[in-house]
Amino acid sequence: GAGVSQSPSNKVTEKGKDVELRCDPISGHTALYWYRQSLGQGLEFLIYFQGNSAPDKSGLPSDRFSAERTGGSVSTLTIQRTQQEDSAVYLCASSSRTSHTGELFFGEGSRLTVL
Amino acid sequence: AQSVSQHNHHVILSEAASLELGCNYSYGGTVNLFWYVQYPGQHLQLLLKYFSGDPLVKGIKGFEAEFIKSKFSFNLRKPSVQWSDTAEYFCAVNAEGNNRLAFGKGNQVVVIP
Repeated sequence: GAGVSQSPSNKVTEKGKDVELRCDPISGHTALYWYRQSLGQGLEFLIYFQGNSAPDKSGLPSDRFSAERTGGSVSTLTIQRTQQEDSAVYLCASSSRTSHTGELFFGEGSRLTVL
Repeated sequence: AQSVSQHNHHVILSEAASLELGCNYSYGGTVNLFWYVQYPGQHLQLLLKYFSGDPLVKGIKGFEAEFIKSKFSFNLRKPSVQWSDTAEYFCAVNAEGNNRLAFGKGNQVVVIP
Protein backbone atom coordinates (compact mmCIF):
# COMPACT_ATOMS: atom_id res chain seq x y z
CA GLY A 1 0.00 0.00 0.00
CA ALA A 2 0.95 3.61 -0.27
CA GLY A 3 0.84 4.44 3.41
CA VAL A 4 2.19 3.19 6.72
CA SER A 5 0.41 0.02 7.75
CA GLN A 6 0.02 -1.12 11.34
CA SER A 7 -1.41 -4.26 12.85
CA PRO A 8 -3.37 -5.16 14.81
CA SER A 9 -5.57 -2.09 14.84
CA ASN A 10 -6.96 -3.13 18.21
CA LYS A 11 -5.53 -5.44 20.82
CA VAL A 12 -7.06 -6.35 24.16
CA THR A 13 -4.86 -8.34 26.48
CA GLU A 14 -4.64 -9.38 30.07
CA LYS A 15 -2.16 -7.91 32.46
CA GLY A 16 1.09 -9.84 32.39
CA LYS A 17 0.80 -11.06 28.82
CA ASP A 18 3.25 -10.14 26.07
CA VAL A 19 2.10 -8.29 22.95
CA GLU A 20 3.65 -7.61 19.57
CA LEU A 21 2.70 -4.70 17.37
CA ARG A 22 3.72 -4.54 13.75
CA CYS A 23 4.54 -1.65 11.45
CA ASP A 24 5.09 -1.75 7.71
CA PRO A 25 6.51 1.62 6.62
CA ILE A 26 6.21 3.37 3.30
CA SER A 27 8.40 1.67 0.74
CA GLY A 28 11.78 3.39 0.44
CA HIS A 29 11.52 5.22 3.76
CA THR A 30 14.59 4.46 5.79
CA ALA A 31 13.56 6.19 9.00
CA LEU A 32 10.96 4.57 11.23
CA TYR A 33 9.55 5.79 14.52
CA TRP A 34 7.34 4.48 17.27
CA TYR A 35 5.32 6.87 19.37
CA ARG A 36 2.79 6.27 22.10
CA GLN A 37 -0.35 8.36 22.33
CA SER A 38 -2.14 8.37 25.65
CA LEU A 39 -5.28 10.34 26.42
CA GLY A 40 -4.36 13.92 27.20
CA GLN A 41 -0.64 13.20 27.01
CA GLY A 42 0.15 13.91 23.40
CA LEU A 43 2.68 11.83 21.54
CA GLU A 44 5.48 10.25 23.50
CA PHE A 45 8.56 9.26 21.53
CA LEU A 46 9.60 5.63 22.04
CA ILE A 47 12.23 4.58 19.51
CA TYR A 48 13.73 5.63 16.19
CA PHE A 49 15.40 3.55 13.49
CA GLN A 50 17.46 5.11 10.73
CA GLY A 51 18.84 2.77 8.08
CA ASN A 52 21.51 0.47 9.47
CA SER A 53 22.44 2.79 12.32
CA ALA A 54 21.95 1.80 15.93
CA PRO A 55 18.41 2.73 16.96
CA ASP A 56 17.68 5.59 19.32
CA LYS A 57 15.99 3.78 22.19
CA SER A 58 16.02 6.68 24.58
CA GLY A 59 12.23 6.96 24.74
CA LEU A 60 11.45 3.40 25.77
CA PRO A 61 9.79 3.66 29.19
CA SER A 62 11.13 0.42 30.65
CA ASP A 63 13.03 -2.74 29.80
CA ARG A 64 9.69 -4.43 29.14
CA PHE A 65 9.61 -2.53 25.86
CA SER A 66 11.74 -3.50 22.88
CA ALA A 67 11.62 -3.05 19.15
CA GLU A 68 13.37 -4.40 16.15
CA ARG A 69 13.43 -3.65 12.50
CA THR A 70 14.25 -6.46 10.15
CA GLY A 71 15.78 -5.90 6.75
CA GLY A 72 15.40 -2.17 7.10
CA SER A 73 11.67 -2.40 6.57
CA VAL A 74 9.07 -3.97 8.86
CA SER A 75 9.31 -3.20 12.55
CA THR A 76 7.90 -4.98 15.57
CA LEU A 77 7.33 -3.35 18.95
CA THR A 78 7.17 -5.87 21.77
CA ILE A 79 5.81 -5.20 25.22
CA GLN A 80 6.49 -7.90 27.77
CA ARG A 81 4.46 -8.51 30.92
CA THR A 82 1.99 -5.80 30.01
CA GLN A 83 0.65 -3.48 32.69
CA GLN A 84 -2.53 -1.42 32.70
CA GLU A 85 -0.53 1.77 32.26
CA ASP A 86 0.66 0.43 28.91
CA SER A 87 -2.83 0.98 27.52
CA ALA A 88 -2.50 3.53 24.74
CA VAL A 89 -2.44 3.94 21.00
CA TYR A 90 0.92 2.98 19.57
CA LEU A 91 1.74 4.93 16.45
CA CYS A 92 4.30 4.11 13.83
CA ALA A 93 5.63 6.65 11.38
CA SER A 94 8.19 6.67 8.62
CA SER A 95 10.11 9.29 6.73
CA SER A 96 12.60 9.56 3.92
CA ARG A 97 16.23 9.85 4.90
CA THR A 98 16.84 12.28 2.09
CA SER A 99 14.53 14.71 3.76
CA HIS A 100 15.78 16.65 6.74
CA THR A 101 12.40 18.19 7.02
CA GLY A 102 11.36 15.65 9.61
CA GLU A 103 7.99 15.23 7.98
CA LEU A 104 6.55 12.00 9.28
CA PHE A 105 3.91 9.83 7.68
CA PHE A 106 1.84 8.11 10.31
CA GLY A 107 -0.05 4.87 10.38
CA GLU A 108 -3.47 4.61 11.96
CA GLY A 109 -2.08 3.13 15.12
CA SER A 110 -2.57 0.06 17.23
CA ARG A 111 -4.88 0.59 20.18
CA LEU A 112 -3.73 -1.52 23.11
CA THR A 113 -5.99 -2.17 26.07
CA VAL A 114 -4.57 -4.02 29.04
CA LEU A 115 -7.21 -5.40 31.39
CA ALA B 1 16.45 18.00 24.07
CA GLN B 2 13.73 20.13 22.62
CA SER B 3 10.30 20.33 24.26
CA VAL B 4 7.01 21.73 23.07
CA SER B 5 4.23 23.44 25.01
CA GLN B 6 0.66 23.82 23.88
CA HIS B 7 -1.90 25.59 26.01
CA ASN B 8 -5.69 25.48 26.24
CA HIS B 9 -5.97 21.80 25.58
CA HIS B 10 -9.71 21.98 24.93
CA VAL B 11 -11.12 24.67 22.65
CA ILE B 12 -14.77 24.98 21.71
CA LEU B 13 -15.77 27.39 18.97
CA SER B 14 -18.75 28.26 16.81
CA GLU B 15 -18.48 28.11 13.05
CA ALA B 16 -17.01 31.26 11.48
CA ALA B 17 -15.12 32.11 14.68
CA SER B 18 -11.39 32.68 14.48
CA LEU B 19 -8.98 30.14 15.90
CA GLU B 20 -5.53 30.60 17.31
CA LEU B 21 -3.56 27.82 18.98
CA GLY B 22 -0.37 28.64 20.79
CA CYS B 23 2.83 26.65 20.51
CA ASN B 24 6.09 27.39 22.30
CA TYR B 25 9.24 25.36 22.14
CA SER B 26 12.47 25.24 24.07
CA TYR B 27 15.54 24.86 21.93
CA GLY B 28 18.15 27.46 21.22
CA GLY B 29 19.36 26.31 17.83
CA THR B 30 17.85 26.14 14.39
CA VAL B 31 14.57 24.27 14.33
CA ASN B 32 12.01 22.94 11.93
CA LEU B 33 8.42 23.46 13.04
CA PHE B 34 5.27 21.58 12.21
CA TRP B 35 1.60 21.40 12.91
CA TYR B 36 -0.07 18.04 12.55
CA VAL B 37 -3.80 17.40 12.64
CA GLN B 38 -5.77 14.32 13.58
CA TYR B 39 -9.38 14.31 12.44
CA PRO B 40 -11.77 11.98 14.29
CA GLY B 41 -11.08 8.40 13.34
CA GLN B 42 -8.19 9.29 11.07
CA HIS B 43 -4.43 9.16 11.31
CA LEU B 44 -2.17 12.10 11.99
CA GLN B 45 -1.36 14.17 8.95
CA LEU B 46 0.77 17.18 8.25
CA LEU B 47 -1.05 20.53 8.25
CA LEU B 48 1.88 22.84 7.59
CA LYS B 49 5.60 23.21 8.22
CA TYR B 50 8.32 25.82 8.53
CA PHE B 51 12.01 25.36 7.71
CA SER B 52 13.28 28.76 6.64
CA GLY B 53 12.33 31.91 4.76
CA ASP B 54 9.02 33.69 5.23
CA PRO B 55 8.01 33.16 8.86
CA LEU B 56 4.35 33.21 7.89
CA VAL B 57 3.52 29.78 6.55
CA LYS B 58 0.32 28.83 4.81
CA GLY B 59 -0.97 25.29 4.96
CA ILE B 60 -3.95 23.32 3.83
CA LYS B 61 -7.58 24.20 4.51
CA GLY B 62 -6.92 27.88 5.15
CA PHE B 63 -4.59 27.39 8.10
CA GLU B 64 -1.49 29.47 8.63
CA ALA B 65 1.19 29.69 11.26
CA GLU B 66 3.71 32.34 12.18
CA PHE B 67 7.20 31.62 13.42
CA ILE B 68 8.41 34.25 15.89
CA LYS B 69 11.98 33.33 16.70
CA SER B 70 12.36 35.81 19.53
CA LYS B 71 9.37 34.29 21.28
CA PHE B 72 10.18 30.67 20.43
CA SER B 73 6.64 30.41 19.15
CA PHE B 74 4.83 28.92 16.17
CA ASN B 75 1.15 29.73 16.63
CA LEU B 76 -1.50 28.30 14.36
CA ARG B 77 -4.36 30.40 13.08
CA LYS B 78 -7.45 30.18 10.96
CA PRO B 79 -9.64 33.26 10.43
CA SER B 80 -12.94 31.41 10.11
CA VAL B 81 -13.36 27.83 11.23
CA GLN B 82 -15.74 25.25 9.89
CA TRP B 83 -17.38 22.28 11.54
CA SER B 84 -14.98 20.05 9.60
CA ASP B 85 -12.05 21.60 11.47
CA THR B 86 -13.05 19.63 14.54
CA ALA B 87 -9.87 17.69 15.29
CA GLU B 88 -6.86 17.44 17.52
CA TYR B 89 -3.94 19.65 16.59
CA PHE B 90 -0.35 18.92 17.51
CA CYS B 91 2.64 21.20 17.31
CA ALA B 92 5.99 19.51 16.72
CA VAL B 93 9.62 20.60 16.62
CA ASN B 94 12.88 19.07 15.57
CA ALA B 95 16.39 20.39 15.61
CA GLU B 96 17.88 21.14 12.23
CA GLY B 97 19.29 17.93 10.71
CA ASN B 98 17.63 15.76 13.34
CA ASN B 99 14.67 13.68 12.23
CA ARG B 100 13.36 13.06 15.74
CA LEU B 101 10.25 15.13 16.35
CA ALA B 102 9.12 16.32 19.76
CA PHE B 103 5.36 16.81 20.00
CA GLY B 104 3.22 18.95 22.23
CA LYS B 105 0.28 17.48 24.11
CA GLY B 106 -2.19 18.67 21.52
CA ASN B 107 -5.24 20.91 21.35
CA GLN B 108 -8.65 19.29 21.07
CA VAL B 109 -10.73 21.68 18.97
CA VAL B 110 -14.48 21.28 18.67
CA VAL B 111 -16.38 23.48 16.22
CA ILE B 112 -20.08 23.76 16.85
CA PRO B 113 -22.25 24.17 13.75
